Amino acid sequence: EADIYQTPRYLVIGTGKKITLECSQTMGHDKMYWYQQDPGMELHLIHYSYGVNSTEKGDLSSESTVSRIRTEHFPLTLESARPSHTSQYLCASSELASSYNEQFFGPGTRLTVL
Amino acid sequence: AQSVSQHNHHVILSEAASLELGCNYSYGGTVNLFWYVQYPGQHLQLLLKYFSGDPLVKGIKGFEAEFIKSKFSFNLRKPSVQWSDTAEYFCAVNRWQSGNKLVFGAGTILRVKS
Repeated sequence: EADIYQTPRYLVIGTGKKITLECSQTMGHDKMYWYQQDPGMELHLIHYSYGVNSTEKGDLSSESTVSRIRTEHFPLTLESARPSHTSQYLCASSELASSYNEQFFGPGTRLTVL
Repeated sequence: AQSVSQHNHHVILSEAASLELGCNYSYGGTVNLFWYVQYPGQHLQLLLKYFSGDPLVKGIKGFEAEFIKSKFSFNLRKPSVQWSDTAEYFCAVNRWQSGNKLVFGAGTILRVKS
């Protein structure tokens, strides 16, 4: 079944640790996105990709980085986590050919940095 | 600033009450409009979408929304809510001129009392 997978679902780590949030999709989509979501706030786009070797920064500045080596995989990395990075991170994908940008979302990773 | 506004952050209704959640956006030009829903512990999923044509669109689970271009609005409605409609609802706008990036509202948390 076509889906979007994110691991881990929950992560609690100490300040200064390097972390990678995983996102994989079996939707066959070229476009992928990372959003940051805080309680009671809108989703903010932090990174997106149109395909392999394509990555762009989103509207919200983020200290995280992303890579897109395989179409189905779009990991997000924080080199040195800080408490200000505590948030929920949502991965999404959509068809490249579609102008309408209907996006499909993964379950999210809730990150807590102590 | 250009944005997507959802009028109420928290709504509490009794079962069988009618629902209307407001969404206004401040973009000109061609837009595509979406309502997403996030049930407790689940993925963000598409409820309904407007691309073109009939401004009254019907989605899953008896929801509908009306696009009123002159009012820059896309309000979500349901004639009779059920306890299972308890969730968070997000309005989103895809603006063609912005490189096809979705902009989300802050969400409305709906609680339906049984």
